[in-house]
Parts: sequence; C-alpha cells; structure tokens
Amino acid sequence: SAVISQKPSRDICQRGTSLTIQCQVDSQVTMMFWYRQQPGQSLTLIATANQGSEATYESGFVIDKFPISRPNLTFSTLTVSNMSPEDSSIYLCSVADGQETQYFGPGTRLLVL
Amino acid sequence: AQSVTQLGSHVSVSEGALVLLRCNYSSSVPPYLFWYVQYPNQGLQLLLKYTTGATLVKGINGFEAEFKKSETSFHLTKPSAHMSDAAEYFCARNTGFQKLVFGTGTRLLVSP
Repeated sequence: SAVISQKPSRDICQRGTSLTIQCQVDSQVTMMFWYRQQPGQSLTLIATANQGSEATYESGFVIDKFPISRPNLTFSTLTVSNMSPEDSSIYLCSVADGQETQYFGPGTRLLVL
Repeated sequence: AQSVTQLGSHVSVSEGALVLLRCNYSSSVPPYLFWYVQYPNQGLQLLLKYTTGATLVKGINGFEAEFKKSETSFHLTKPSAHMSDAAEYFCARNTGFQKLVFGTGTRLLVSP
C-alpha cells in the first residue's frame, strides 16, 4: 500500500486565520480524498481531490471554506479558511488503490482557539 | 441510502477474552466492506476487507470478519484480546466512485 504523509501533524490556530494542510504520497495515485473527524466522531468526506480539475465537494462543504489543490498525482493540499472553534478536528487525507480500498495518512490535529 | 451501522459505541473486554464488534450494512447490492482501526493520535489503518469470494476474511493482528449476506452483517472478531488492541474501530462500505461511508465507530477497552 502507498505511504502517505501529512504536514503539519498538529497545530493550534487563532480564529479567523487559515491553515493549509499538505498530503504527500510516495506513488502516483488517481483518487485522493480529504476527510474531517470531529472530536469523538466518525469520518466525514469533505471532497475528492481531482488532478488537473476542481475538487468535488460533498454536501455541506464548499470550496470557499475548504479550497483544495491537486497539482500532480502525488500531492494535495486542503486549506481550512477563516477558522472558528467548530473547525477543531482531525483532518485526514486518503488515497484509493483502484479496488475500492482507501489508505489513510496519519492525520492533522487542528485546534482553533 | 447506503450506510453501515455499528452497534455499541463502547465495548469492554478482559485481556484474553473474545472480541466481537458488530457491523451491519444497508443495501440490496452486496457491498465491499472494510474494518479500520485507529490508535490514539494516529490515522486509520486497514484491518481487513471483503470484496468477493470467501466470506470469512482474515486480517492483521489476529482479527477476522465474516460476511453474512442473509444477516447483512460483517462483524469483527478476535479470539483473545490483548491490551494493545485498545483502540477505535470503524466499519466502512463502498458507495461507488472509490468512495467510502463509515460507521460511527466502536471504542474497544481492554482491561487486565
């Protein structure tokens, strides 16, 4: 399976600011995804990061709040914009292997004060 | 809607006891099913998956799960719990376009 890294691993941010999270994969993959895991909750899909085109967002998530870039087949970024304490979560990226299986990065733990 | 349901937000077992974590799925079409584990302060790790073929699936760390179409279930078991198994466990299913939907998770607590 692919090896996935995320930066930063954790951060504490002030409300109103933005944070960009990076996801790096050690091999080329077609499908990359971004998830949010709110405290004590399960995972919710934010969007599919598409290489060469705009990300596809799930219901309840918008590009202005969560802009995503996918410049190539090994890298993606998720920005959490104009943060509020409600954005405090773990943000995870994942990749699909083409056989319906996803592998996850270690996550970015975000606390917004 | 395609979904998975995990019964029991917390399961407590003694070390050496049987572990049983429950997962039921909704769909008229047999899905691909997955179990992931999340250790504290870590991401999700794939334990095992069912796609097609043999309905009893063996995974890492001694875990296994059985796909039962008649019961729409995919329960996770381990014969003997170890302290290191304490973690959050998530059941998931595919929904098409390589996407997954996750259950609400079950926290496994293992006591000495």
